[in-house]
Order: sequence, then structure tokens, then C-alpha cells
Amino acid sequence: EVQLVQSGAEVKKPGESLKISCKGSGYSFTSYWIGWVRQMPGKGLEWMGIIYPGDSDTRYSPSFQGQVTISADKSISTAYLQWSSLKASDTAMYYCARSYCSSTSCLFFDYWGQGTLVTVSS
Amino acid sequence: EIVLTQSPGTLSLSPGERATLSCRASQSVSSSYLAWYQQKPGQAPRLLIYGASSRATGIPDRFSGSGSGTDFTLTISRLEPEDFAVYYCQQYGSSPPDTFGQGTKLEIK
Repeated sequence: EVQLVQSGAEVKKPGESLKISCKGSGYSFTSYWIGWVRQMPGKGLEWMGIIYPGDSDTRYSPSFQGQVTISADKSISTAYLQWSSLKASDTAMYYCARSYCSSTSCLFFDYWGQGTLVTVSS
Repeated sequence: EIVLTQSPGTLSLSPGERATLSCRASQSVSSSYLAWYQQKPGQAPRLLIYGASSRATGIPDRFSGSGSGTDFTLTISRLEPEDFAVYYCQQYGSSPPDTFGQGTKLEIK
């Protein structure tokens, strides 16, 4: 059974750093891409970026480029999303999800993690 | 960037009725690279339809997708109580970013 299990909820202060994780199991972790999707409170879904754990090829939405860093450790089948300096506007639910990308585009997300709620407040 | 507009914003129907949700793209979606997701409160989205009309694994056949170019439709033939949720479309044929529609809330009338 394919599973993506995300790390738990976080409460941080503005300016702090954070790294959340997404561990894949039940499939070949290095054969698929892992993407990250933001959902701000009461809002829709936003595609942030995506990584291929096999070689760490990473692509970002222009809206999130430079704001977050996506990485992966294939030895432990885990992808990460990190911030160096959080803002209150980063408060949201963050989902990881599995996909596949070609050289020009990525496909739909077929499996999703349960989400990690990040709250940034002073 | 392709912008997806979903309509209506909210759809109020009763169990047993037929639901028709629309997703319109600002420019043609290549190869019908259009997906639909269902999201229930407190849950992650779930893939329903990909390639505009192919059902994902385990999705009941009361869910169907259609359309091409710029106009796509998700139809739920006979609503079950568990179908009331928010539905999002996503186009994935262009270079990043892949974009989502703003969602349609399907609520019980």
C-alpha cells in the first residue's frame, strides 16, 4: 500500500526556521516525484514545487521560488520542505503528494500525505 | 500561466440528484491533462479523475469526467451522502507551475 506520512503540526514564531518531512512507503521512492501543495486557512490548493528523489532534480512554482527549499533523502525515503525565516503568512496546511514529471511538465498527484499544519504566530 | 475557473462556487443539491461541476481554462489544456480532486473537511485531497475522463483507482463509477480544450466537466450521476465535499480541478500539461481551480463546494440542500 502506497503511503505518504508527514511530520506533525508545528507552531513557530516569525523569523524561525522549520523543516517538515514526508516519508514514502509501499512503492519505489526513487521512481516517482514528490510535490508540495499549500492550503491556506479556508482557501484552495497551491502547487509549490516538486522533487525527484532519485537525483534531487527540483522544480519550483515562481510564486514559491526563493521562499522555500525542497529536498529529499532517498536513503530514508523522505522528502522535506523547509523555511529559513518563517512569516505569519506561511500559516497553512502543507501536503506532500506523489507525481511523475517529464522534462517539460508534471502529472497529477495520485497519493497524498495527511498534511502538516504550520502555524506561525508571535 | 493557465488560469482555471470553476463554477459554480457552491452547489446545493440533495442526495440522489445529479451534480454537474464545471472547470474552464483560460487557454487550451494540452492532451486533456486535467484532473479532478475531492476534499472533505479535515482530510487531504483525493484524486478522482485524470486525463479529463479516466477514473482513478477505487473511484465509483458514479463519478465521470468529460471535456477537452478549455471546457471540462465533472459529473456525479447520483449523489451519495459521502459525496458532499469541495472539488478542485487541476491542469498539468504546462511547464510549472501546475495550477488548480479555486474549488466548488458541493453542499447538502
